[in-house]
Amino acid sequence: GIQVEQSPPDLILQEGANSTLRCNFSDSVNNLQWFHQNPWGQLINLFYIPSGTKQNGRLSATTVATERYSLLYISSSQTTDSGVYFCAVGYSMNYGGSQGNLIFGKGTKLSVKP
Amino acid sequence: GAVVSQHPSWVICKSGTSVKIECRSLDFQATTMFWYRQFPKQSLMLMATSNEGSKATYEQGVEKDKFLINHASLTLSTLTVTSAHPEDSSFYICSAPRTGMPYEQYFGPGTRLTVT
Repeated sequence: GIQVEQSPPDLILQEGANSTLRCNFSDSVNNLQWFHQNPWGQLINLFYIPSGTKQNGRLSATTVATERYSLLYISSSQTTDSGVYFCAVGYSMNYGGSQGNLIFGKGTKLSVKP
Repeated sequence: GAVVSQHPSWVICKSGTSVKIECRSLDFQATTMFWYRQFPKQSLMLMATSNEGSKATYEQGVEKDKFLINHASLTLSTLTVTSAHPEDSSFYICSAPRTGMPYEQYFGPGTRLTVT
């Protein structure tokens, strides 16, 4: 199956700093999503980005599908950015069934200090 | 946006009892829903795929007789943990892609199960 590796596993930042989180995956995918898991466990959709670049406020993401990696950029970090960031990928030849599920990396735990 | 709800958000039950967790897509239809489990400080692992109108498919190592899944409508899937044991204590999260937009997934807020 597809393998997903995230780096770094832990990251400590001072408020206001910028950071880059990386996600490598081992095979072609047609779904790649970035999530932020808040302290209550809720997964917040950040980006659906199987390819290309997207930006949303202080966050942006780039996926280079041909090289099988994606990057999540966080600029001017805030304490509320703390939490675990997951990259998840999926591939579905035919819609439905287990091929449509997401495979998660182990996450990057981000701590932003005031 | 697409909203997925789960109920209850947390539950404590005694060993040997059964617990039902509901997953609803509130503003879209979902012919497929996925159930994940997350242990503390770990990633999410797929347990099973719930298919509306047909049997669920389970990942290797997941006991289908213990984790009963029913996808009764295009907006509701339920996971019943039968004869729960303390090792079933975990965070259970469901997700659903929109019908017709099969790739992007939307996640529920999760259900924290504690079995005493």
